[in-house]
Amino acid sequence: KNEVEQSPQNLTAQEGEFITINCSYSVGISALHWLQQHPGGGIVSLFMLSSGKKKHGRLIATINIQEKHSSLHITASHPRDSAVYICAVTGNQFYFGTGTSLTVIP
Amino acid sequence: NAGVTQTPKFRVLKTGQSMTLLCAQDMNHEYMYWYRQDPGMGLRLIHYSVGEGTTAKGEVPDGYNVSRLKKQNFLLGLESAAPSQTSVYFCASSTSGRVNEQFFGPGTRLTVL
Repeated sequence: KNEVEQSPQNLTAQEGEFITINCSYSVGISALHWLQQHPGGGIVSLFMLSSGKKKHGRLIATINIQEKHSSLHITASHPRDSAVYICAVTGNQFYFGTGTSLTVIP
Repeated sequence: NAGVTQTPKFRVLKTGQSMTLLCAQDMNHEYMYWYRQDPGMGLRLIHYSVGEGTTAKGEVPDGYNVSRLKKQNFLLGLESAAPSQTSVYFCASSTSGRVNEQFFGPGTRLTVL
């Protein structure tokens, strides 16, 4: 039983495309996090959300608490966006999704 | 600031050997965490600490021990390594509580033969 489900698992896009990665969760949460893991392995926190929407550069994250769903959008995608994107939720425990592997082709 | 650092970056052990992974942070964070990452699975919490001198079990604590003698350091020990402990280990820290942003170390790739 996975408390956090991400879709799609793998995604290939052409440079410039608009990308959406989805995250659904089944537990009560205090916050939802989007993380980025580059091929070298390092993990960076992109967003932390408890409601609404946040934007940073070309990245936008939204959360719908009632529907237990979050989306990560990347506008005007670029090859340097190629990475694994991980959704994580924090409540009584930590739960991580298995990640979405994104490849952006020039 | 170095952020979160991990030592070593790579290690190969034989079954039954012991080792300690060191995590250090220079951000004066209260909370520190140890995770393991395995193919096809999300990050899983091994142990965590909410402050100097405290430790608590996470989702997969068996076979591991931890210590937080100094606020800036969080040590993960394997007393008798097993092949099932082959994984990439990540340390992270945060200012306080689960709702705060976590800062991750670069990871340690451990292979147990």
